[in-house]
Amino acid sequence: DSGVTQTPKHLITATGQRVTLRCSPRSGDLSVYWYQQSLDQGLQFLIQYYNGEERAKGNILERFSAQQFPDLHSELNLSSLELGDSALYFCASSPAGTSGGATGELFFGEGSRLTVL
Amino acid sequence: KNEVEQSPQNLTAQEGEFITINCSYSVGISALHWLQQHPGGGIVSLFMLSSGKKKHGRLIATINIQEKHSSLHITASHPRDSAVYICAVPRAQKLVFGQGTRLTINP
Repeated sequence: DSGVTQTPKHLITATGQRVTLRCSPRSGDLSVYWYQQSLDQGLQFLIQYYNGEERAKGNILERFSAQQFPDLHSELNLSSLELGDSALYFCASSPAGTSGGATGELFFGEGSRLTVL
Repeated sequence: KNEVEQSPQNLTAQEGEFITINCSYSVGISALHWLQQHPGGGIVSLFMLSSGKKKHGRLIATINIQEKHSSLHITASHPRDSAVYICAVPRAQKLVFGQGTRLTINP
């Protein structure tokens, strides 16, 4: 158990819909990272938050947004869903925060599997 | 050419064999991550290393910063080691991932 909790584990929805994925980091970790893993793209970094502020941005679509709340949990909002958004979405946390998770140890959640029909 | 290249892409071996997975990268880095993704999808961070060698149980990771190359070794492999192994390097405030090596250990 990494200590990182993601909900929901599975989600099936239709094109055009909006979903929210939730992540609770390990106790004490200030950084939260979101990653997308689709079959044809592998793991892709989406966005990082550190103590409530956006720190780094990757290949995140404009239809996607995220935020980190004062209690440090984070939500990833995916809107106007398309078939190609079907993927595993991972959240990870780290005690480090200044380099996009690049040099700090990462602790991953179990992932949220999104299926868009 | 990808910034992070892993080889082999797929590897099947018999229980007990010594396993080596390679990772090459094209830019200078300060650290490299090795991750393990289980068949169910969960990801575990195995190592983060910036020089030399690290060992955890039957897993050993080495890195040569000058040659831009890292290896992950598994000694006395076991079917429970079957997973996808992914290396990742930092690049402009984010991690860039290799495509992964799918390892299957047969009993």
